[in-house]
Amino acid sequence: GAVVSQHPSRVICKSGTSVKIECRSLDFQATTMFWYRQFPKQSLMLMATSNEGSKATYEQGVEKDKFLINHASLTLSTLTVTSAHPEDSSFYICSAQLTSGRVQFFGPGTRLTVL
Amino acid sequence: RKEVEQDPGPFNVPEGATVAFNCTYSNSASQSFFWYRQDCRKEPKLLMSVYSSGNEDGRFTAQLNRASQYISLLIRDSKLSDSATYLCVAPGGRTTDSWGKLQFGAGTQVVVTP
Repeated sequence: GAVVSQHPSRVICKSGTSVKIECRSLDFQATTMFWYRQFPKQSLMLMATSNEGSKATYEQGVEKDKFLINHASLTLSTLTVTSAHPEDSSFYICSAQLTSGRVQFFGPGTRLTVL
Repeated sequence: RKEVEQDPGPFNVPEGATVAFNCTYSNSASQSFFWYRQDCRKEPKLLMSVYSSGNEDGRFTAQLNRASQYISLLIRDSKLSDSATYLCVAPGGRTTDSWGKLQFGAGTQVVVTP
């Protein structure tokens, strides 16, 4: 399958700081990437759809000013968690979608812990 | 009602046995589905795509029942390495707003024991 990388894999930060997470498609170009969040023992929850060259589309209840998404190229999307709080601690996973179908390939995830 | 529903399990399966579990979906227009597996604290990985009535890949068989709107996954000759959470995934829909999105079930946990 296609390879998607995510960096960093783990981050611990203080409350009030901002954290940037990068998602890269390594062997294909992805016009669409997705950002998910997963709390313990729960399913993946879609946060936003990131389209290259345009504004991201956020799901209901997700604050666009808090979770900044930039998709500047066909291989890179970034998620910045601004003014992070302990309740933002979660497993953040990105995925990239092949233009030929609906299959999504996931990055390894970033485990964010806000103290 | 959730878009995709799964029995959370866990399904405790002796090594070598067969296990099967279902997933129901609410969007009758859905055409394709996926099974992903997710290991603890890891990202989901694509296991199988299901585009027609079903397909088989080695020890794994997925079946689609459109009339009753469910998908099943059967694992034969279970291995210890099959222990994971299996996520049922349906497309988000055909509207502009939902195109490309996937709806994830909460997952079915399978534990294969020696």
